[in-house]
Amino acid sequence: KAGVTQTPRYLIKTRGQQVTLSCSPISGHRSVSWYQQTPGQGLQFLFEYFSETQRNKGNFPGRFSGRQFSNSRSEMNVSTLELGDSALYLCASKAGTGAFGEQYFGPGTRLTVT
Amino acid sequence: GQQVMQIPQYQHVQEGEDFTTYCNSSTTLSNIQWYKQRPGGHPVFLIQLVKSGEVKKQKRLTFQFGEAKKNSSLHITATQTTDVGTYFCAGSMYSGGGADGLTFGKGTHLIIQP
Repeated sequence: KAGVTQTPRYLIKTRGQQVTLSCSPISGHRSVSWYQQTPGQGLQFLFEYFSETQRNKGNFPGRFSGRQFSNSRSEMNVSTLELGDSALYLCASKAGTGAFGEQYFGPGTRLTVT
Repeated sequence: GQQVMQIPQYQHVQEGEDFTTYCNSSTTLSNIQWYKQRPGGHPVFLIQLVKSGEVKKQKRLTFQFGEAKKNSSLHITATQTTDVGTYFCAGSMYSGGGADGLTFGKGTHLIIQP
């Protein structure tokens, strides 16, 4: 099976712009979670989608949003970018939703905001 | 909110020495997962612990879940250069109506000196 893919792998944006990141889960996986990874804060949970519905949400401002399509592919959007949004954005997929089960991470999108 | 503390932040060991990282939660966890991230890579699932007092082994790695389901540890015996990376614990608090997303510890960076 192909692994989790994320596009683009690298992105440079300026403050105030918006950005959309894409994640294609492993075939058959219906849950996609998004994480932000920074050296200072570590890995922080953004949100989880399952069957096109947001199931859980982390403690991030409303500028961070996401959606999931019927084929389980997911996108996350960050509007009005700030310098502090520079991070590695990781998505992870798994077969079911809920607290249990192995997550498979993608390679991430490295976002730099200047 | 739920917090997962992980110590130490960095651990330098000589190749062949043992290594242990500890994880503590402020709340009771439904389960705890461990991930490894190699430099420049993405987190890779190692194991999930669910039961109080559970102990699991994978070759040189031993994982434990505390009796109160609030702490966990990962012990590596006789480290090898391939063990280099950051080890994360991630816990989830089952909230009844649906599971919360995983809360990651900040990780322990394992550095091995040959």
